[in-house]
Amino acid sequence: AQSVTQLGSHVSVSEGALVLLRCNYSSSVPPYLFWYVQYPNQGLQLLLKYTSAATLVKGINGFEAEFKKSETSFHLTKPSAHMSDAAEYFCAVTGYNNNDMRFGAGTRLTVKP
Amino acid sequence: SAVISQKPSRDICQRGTSLTIQCQVDSQVTMMFWYRQQPGQSLTLIATANQGSEATYESGFVIDKFPISRPNLTFSTLTVSNMSPEDSSIYLCSVRTAEQFFGPGTRLTVL
Repeated sequence: AQSVTQLGSHVSVSEGALVLLRCNYSSSVPPYLFWYVQYPNQGLQLLLKYTSAATLVKGINGFEAEFKKSETSFHLTKPSAHMSDAAEYFCAVTGYNNNDMRFGAGTRLTVKP
Repeated sequence: SAVISQKPSRDICQRGTSLTIQCQVDSQVTMMFWYRQQPGQSLTLIATANQGSEATYESGFVIDKFPISRPNLTFSTLTVSNMSPEDSSIYLCSVRTAEQFFGPGTRLTVL
């Protein structure tokens, strides 16, 4: 069965600084990987996804993630944080032929002025 | 894409009662899922509810506590039975087409 681990339940950066949110996956089959964002009191919004095409995936709001098979990682980055990026971020995985999506524990991003 | 609506959006219930949450999708989908998000935590899959078969429950969730109906390809219900304060969570419906979509959630508070 596939799973993801998010390192760091809380990340704090200054506005304009690099954002790096870590996600490692465990899967016995080639995975599909996702990053979702959840703003306070709102639903989940898909940021980006990896589905075995390009290893560098660009998403919305300036975020991107790189699939590294050798490191079993799918870290989320953004070159310059904005105050509006403050939210909870979830990494998720599905297997190539599995139906259900499994989520990491989440990382709360705080952006300081 | 798929647009998902849930009813109710929120509710406050008394201990020992049951609540049925409805999930409506604007298109026919085979795969539907129910998740729980406890306060300050991640999403946990409760069960998979594919039309035409019995719901499949994840470890730690049982049909007596969370009965699910899936009468057609656009609708499902999740009942939270004999509620306790520990059931206070957001319950989300989700469907898989080309992508996975999530409903807005039902925020349940059990007193």
